[in-house]
Amino acid sequence: ESVLTQSPGTLSLSPGERATVFCRASQSVGSNYLAWYQQRPGQAPRLLIYGASHRAIGIPDRFSGSGSDTDFTLTISRVEPEDFAVYFCQQYSRSPLTFGGGTKVEI
Amino acid sequence: QVQLVQSGAEVKKPGASVTVSCRTSGYSFKSHEMHWVRQAPGQGFEWMGLINPNSGLTVYTQKFQARVTMTSDTSTSTLFLELRSLTSEDTAVYFCARASSGTYTDFDFWGRGTLVTVSS
Repeated sequence: ESVLTQSPGTLSLSPGERATVFCRASQSVGSNYLAWYQQRPGQAPRLLIYGASHRAIGIPDRFSGSGSDTDFTLTISRVEPEDFAVYFCQQYSRSPLTFGGGTKVEI
Repeated sequence: QVQLVQSGAEVKKPGASVTVSCRTSGYSFKSHEMHWVRQAPGQGFEWMGLINPNSGLTVYTQKFQARVTMTSDTSTSTLFLELRSLTSEDTAVYFCARASSGTYTDFDFWGRGTLVTVSS
């Protein structure tokens, strides 16, 4: 199976700063079949990015995704207070679908 | 709007079975495949499998193949996950998630999760 490794585990930032989260796959993710999600405590995960770089409906443009093959990045250009949460990546290039371990963005 | 409403928390003894439900609304139930994903305490997400609500076709990961059953009830637009022979390692939050398009894909809507605790 394709193992996704996220880094860093925790990102400590202040509002207004830039957040960069990395996701590396152990096998190529084909045609960029990679998604990013946000999870706030007690809430359902929310789809942010699909196809490596496409923002989901309603997602602010401060969120962006990039990368290809095995290396992907989620960027929050200027972190807002509501962005402090856990972010995780998911590959859907091959079964079984797999997820990264998550990155906590904290104040 | 799309909603996935899951059943409440469960506490089970080792060896027992649990059934988690996921009631959907706000879209055509048969038009999207549904997946089940779990998250053990302090761990990442683990994909368990999927069901096509239209055909009833299921795909399970090898890890759960022998003790999981996913079903759907089109009359109530509800999905069910049954997990048998529970052990403490099955303690986790179980999520239903809607496939955005196709079978192996991203998930555009998720339920809020159902905590299943396995303890003697």
